[in-house]
Amino acid sequence: QSVLTQPPSVSGAPGQRVTISCTGSSSNIGAGYDVHWYQQLPGTAPKLLIYGNNNRPSGVPDRFSGSKSGTSASLAITGLQAEDEADYYCQSYDSSLSGSGVFGGGTKLTVL
Amino acid sequence: EVQLVQSGAEVKKPGESLKISCQGSGYSFTNYWIGWVRQMPGKGLEWMGIIYPGDSDTRYSPSFQGQVTISADKSISTAYLQWGSLKASDTAMYYCARQTSSINWFDPWGQGTLVTVSS
Repeated sequence: QSVLTQPPSVSGAPGQRVTISCTGSSSNIGAGYDVHWYQQLPGTAPKLLIYGNNNRPSGVPDRFSGSKSGTSASLAITGLQAEDEADYYCQSYDSSLSGSGVFGGGTKLTVL
Repeated sequence: EVQLVQSGAEVKKPGESLKISCQGSGYSFTNYWIGWVRQMPGKGLEWMGIIYPGDSDTRYSPSFQGQVTISADKSISTAYLQWGSLKASDTAMYYCARQTSSINWFDPWGQGTLVTVSS
């Protein structure tokens, strides 16, 4: 059971918008720790997608955006493309775990 | 270019010891944290622990404390993850990744090291 809760799967047709939620608690996201998002394409290492809640690294399309509110965060993907089909993970830190990092359980995005 | 290159795949028997490595290049190795992340077959990412090579400050997830040892040799810009006695349940892909601070994001990531433990 992950400390951060994500839906196991989401899906959308090409061109549509999807969102992936990441729900935490008062000891992690709600405590003010930033949320980061990673994309993992099949058979590859994870890649940073969003850092510091809503910042995109150079090279990440602006179709990807992040937000945070209270004890939750969200990743939004607009203009869905076939190449977006991947696993997505949120990450933060938790004060109840000696400040250790935590990941969400991951969400499989299927492009229909 | 900032790069993390990990050692190759390993096949071990239960009870054996193992040390895998992660070599950084393209940046000042002593000024950034290096973290280790486990991914068991078909499963999600798990945060294991981090080390600051500059002073060897090391932090572990409670789930991995006592199960693995994280170390670094700054003279060769390399971080390590080691086991004293492997179990079948240690079979997984292990990634290293760089952090700018102890509570920040991981970027970039190494290519991963597959560890298989089987009798």
